[in-house]
Amino acid sequence: EVQLVESGGGLVQPGGSLRLSCAASGFTFSSYGINWVRQAPGKGLEWVSYISSGSSTIYYADSVKGRFTISRDNAKSSLYLQMNSLRDEDTAVYYCAKSGAFDIWGQGTMVTVSS
Amino acid sequence: DVVMTQSPLSLPVTLGQPASISCRSSQSLVYSDGNTYLSWFQQRPGQSPRRLIYKVSNRDSGVPDRFSGSGSGTDFTLKISRVEAEDVGVYYCMQGTHWPPYTFGQGTKLGIK
Repeated sequence: EVQLVESGGGLVQPGGSLRLSCAASGFTFSSYGINWVRQAPGKGLEWVSYISSGSSTIYYADSVKGRFTISRDNAKSSLYLQMNSLRDEDTAVYYCAKSGAFDIWGQGTMVTVSS
Repeated sequence: DVVMTQSPLSLPVTLGQPASISCRSSQSLVYSDGNTYLSWFQQRPGQSPRRLIYKVSNRDSGVPDRFSGSGSGTDFTLKISRVEAEDVGVYYCMQGTHWPPYTFGQGTKLGIK
C-alpha cells in the first residue's frame, strides 16, 4: 500500500523549534519530489515547501523562508521539516504530499505554537 | 503568485441533486508543454485531502464517475452529477502550472440541505 505517515508534531512555545518527519512506503521514494502542506485550524490548505527527488531543488513559501528547512534521506524513505523560530501563526496540521501531482497525502501531524 | 478563487464558498445540496463548484485563476494555467495543471481535492470531515481530478478532467482511480472536471485557461468547474451523503466535505482546486508556490482555492464546503 502506498503510504505517507507524518510524526513529530506537538506543543511548542513561540520562538521554539520542532522537527517533523514523514515516512514513505509502497513506492520508490527516491524517484519523487515531496511537499509539505499545512492547514491552520478551520482554514484552507497552504503549500509550505518542496524538495526534489535528489534534494537538488528546494523551494519554500515566503511565510516560512529562513525559518524552516526541508530535507530527505532516501535510504530511509523519509522526509523532514526542521521548523525554527516558530510563531503562533505556524499552528496547523502539517501534511506531506507526494510529488507535484499531490496524489498521495499523509494523515497529518498537529503542531501547536502557544505559550 | 497565482490567485485561485472558488465559488460558492458554501454549497448546500439536496441528496441526489447535482452540484457545481467554480474555480478561477488570476492567470492562464496552460503550461508550455500544452498541459493545464489544475487539480481538485476532496477533504471529508476529519480526514486528509484526497485528489479527485488532475489536469482539469482526469479522474483518479477509485473516484466515482459522478465526479467530473472541465474548463480551460482561467475558468474551471467541478461537477457532481448526483450528490451522495459521502460527498460531504470541503473541495479545493489547486494550480501546479506556475510554481512555486503551488496555490489552492479557499475551499468550498459542501453540505446536505
